[in-house]
Amino acid sequence: NAGVTQTPKFQVLKTGQSMTLQCAQDMNHEYMSWYRQDPGMGLRLIHYSVGAGITDQGEVPNGYNVSRSTTEDFPLRLLSAAPSQTSVYFCASSPQPGQGPWSYTFGSGTRLTVV
Amino acid sequence: QQPVQSPQAVILREGEDAVINCSSSKALYSVHWYRQKHGEAPIFLMILLKGGEQKGHDKISASFNEKKQQSSLYLTASQLSYSGTYFCGTVQGAQKLVFGQGTRLTINP
Repeated sequence: NAGVTQTPKFQVLKTGQSMTLQCAQDMNHEYMSWYRQDPGMGLRLIHYSVGAGITDQGEVPNGYNVSRSTTEDFPLRLLSAAPSQTSVYFCASSPQPGQGPWSYTFGSGTRLTVV
Repeated sequence: QQPVQSPQAVILREGEDAVINCSSSKALYSVHWYRQKHGEAPIFLMILLKGGEQKGHDKISASFNEKKQQSSLYLTASQLSYSGTYFCGTVQGAQKLVFGQGTRLTINP
């Protein structure tokens, strides 16, 4: 199994540009989340989803959109990139509690630089 | 709201013990612990549920006190491979996993 696949691995954007970070998992997990990681800040939750068609905001949702049309995919959209969005982005998925060991599997990350 | 971890950084010699603490101002359903090596994705270590249980993973164990809204990670007889950044994650609202800021652990020979 591939697990959680994120693309691209690296991206440089200009301020004001938009883009979509892709995340796909092949483990039939219901839960999926997006985190950003900045030095000294840990992993901060951007958006999460508990199933297809259901999404909710995390701690730092401003400037990001998500949708969940299928169980497998959970793309993260940057509407108008700003230098403050320079970060490493991780996508993670897990089964629902009670349907297997409840642990998150993380993708390898996308390193985004906004200039 | 992010849980608070302490200390922020620890430096040990191989074979020494360490304790990493995690506390939250919100009621906890469960606590997750993850380890991240530099440049890699976080890897799941263990989950603790209500009941004050302790769990172990090799020489790494953890406790969870839901009344105090705290969890501690214990690393015994540390090995070089234990180096990395450790994150606790607290489950809020039964669905949302929120992580602390991390504790950087350095093990020297």
